[in-house]
Amino acid sequence: EADIYQTPRYLVIGTGKKITLECSQTMGHDKMYWYQQDPGMELHLIHYSYGVNSTEKGDLSSESTVSRIRTEHFPLTLESARPSHTSQYLCASSESGQLEAFFGQGTRLTVV
Amino acid sequence: DQQVKQNSPSLSVQEGRISILNCDYTNSMFDYFLWYKKYPAEGPTFLISISSIKDKNEDGRFTVFLNKSAKHLSLHIVPSQPGDSAVYFCAARKSGANNLFFGTGTRLTVIP
Repeated sequence: EADIYQTPRYLVIGTGKKITLECSQTMGHDKMYWYQQDPGMELHLIHYSYGVNSTEKGDLSSESTVSRIRTEHFPLTLESARPSHTSQYLCASSESGQLEAFFGQGTRLTVV
Repeated sequence: DQQVKQNSPSLSVQEGRISILNCDYTNSMFDYFLWYKKYPAEGPTFLISISSIKDKNEDGRFTVFLNKSAKHLSLHIVPSQPGDSAVYFCAARKSGANNLFFGTGTRLTVIP
């Protein structure tokens, strides 16, 4: 059983608000990822981290930012939410040298 | 440009019969392929993987076949069970990279 947690599960928020999506894992994995998925579409990598103080942009451009101050924590922040940010955000982690990633349950964000 | 394609958005199969989910890819640099299963309101969970140096990998009721010349892989589930009803994502990794490229998913419904 994967131990990776995302909060909140659902979030409805107004345009212009600052939001932080939380992601924590207790497996000690070095690598963590944020994916974005629109309904019926593929998952797109928007951020990843190979360890503490390491963050990189993914394949899909995103206005969000991430930080990795602790191994187990990889929060994603939107400084000013817009309706175009409405999507599902999935956090994942993997062990170095391992291929499979473990996913959290996701945060479904709606910006109105 | 979508590098991993699942052209069938949905598939319905009778319980006990075989389910075949298909996936095509365009990038010859992919060296590992994975299948993930996703239930509603949950994150994707890893199901089975295959290296590009193999053409078949089996795990219980699940078998993945890889045809490199056709850039095609398929997931066979036999016998199918109602609990297999979920969305199945095909994913691929580029050689030397750590992030995964996902398809859009196929919703499998196993009819009791």
